[in-house]
Amino acid sequence: GEDVEQSLFLSVREGDSSVINCTYTDSSSTYLYWYKQEPGAGLQLLTYIFSNMDMKQDQRLTVLLNKKDKHLSLRIADTQTGDSAIYFCAEISTDSWGKLQFGAGTQVVVTP
Amino acid sequence: EAGVAQSPRYKIIEKRQSVAFWCNPISGHATLYWYQQILGQGPKLLIQFQNNGVVDDSQLPKDRFSAERLKGVDSTLKIQPAKLEDSAVYLCASSLGPGEDTGELFFGEGSRLTVL
Repeated sequence: GEDVEQSLFLSVREGDSSVINCTYTDSSSTYLYWYKQEPGAGLQLLTYIFSNMDMKQDQRLTVLLNKKDKHLSLRIADTQTGDSAIYFCAEISTDSWGKLQFGAGTQVVVTP
Repeated sequence: EAGVAQSPRYKIIEKRQSVAFWCNPISGHATLYWYQQILGQGPKLLIQFQNNGVVDDSQLPKDRFSAERLKGVDSTLKIQPAKLEDSAVYLCASSLGPGEDTGELFFGEGSRLTVL
């Protein structure tokens, strides 16, 4: 099975906050990432967090990391229609640098 | 700065035919990756190059897939013969390489393969 797991779908109203959750199994994960994929496009890095941090904020994005539970979340404040996309959680460890392990992705649909 | 370039964007072939995809990474990026993304799944690493050497090809189906990165810049991924289950988007990515702080990968738009 997947080493990185995510819920598959999230529907949110424009202006509300979105929270996308992810769990991972590799305890040696060094960096954890959130990538965004819009239809017909490649993946774009949104934000990342180093494993010795528990929170990172970047404008409308807040990443929370619970290393004990191996749980990562991405909160998008004031969600806009342009935030509709698939969001992938990914992790990497120092013993396999560059080999990103992706989750299956969470499709976020923003409704007016 | 130009991003990762891939071609073709779309390809439709019949099973048992062959296909090749091309990737030009961001200038100066030492590491190049090919990922396979099947519909509804996350990308899966097929092969990773460091300059023109292979770092990891453990998940590359070597009986039908091959990849090369001549001169440590451009790369091609070939499938011969193709099977129905090879229908996917093939994503190329590049990064600065070991020692780069965040491990960020820069992805191309992908080459969508449909095998009939």
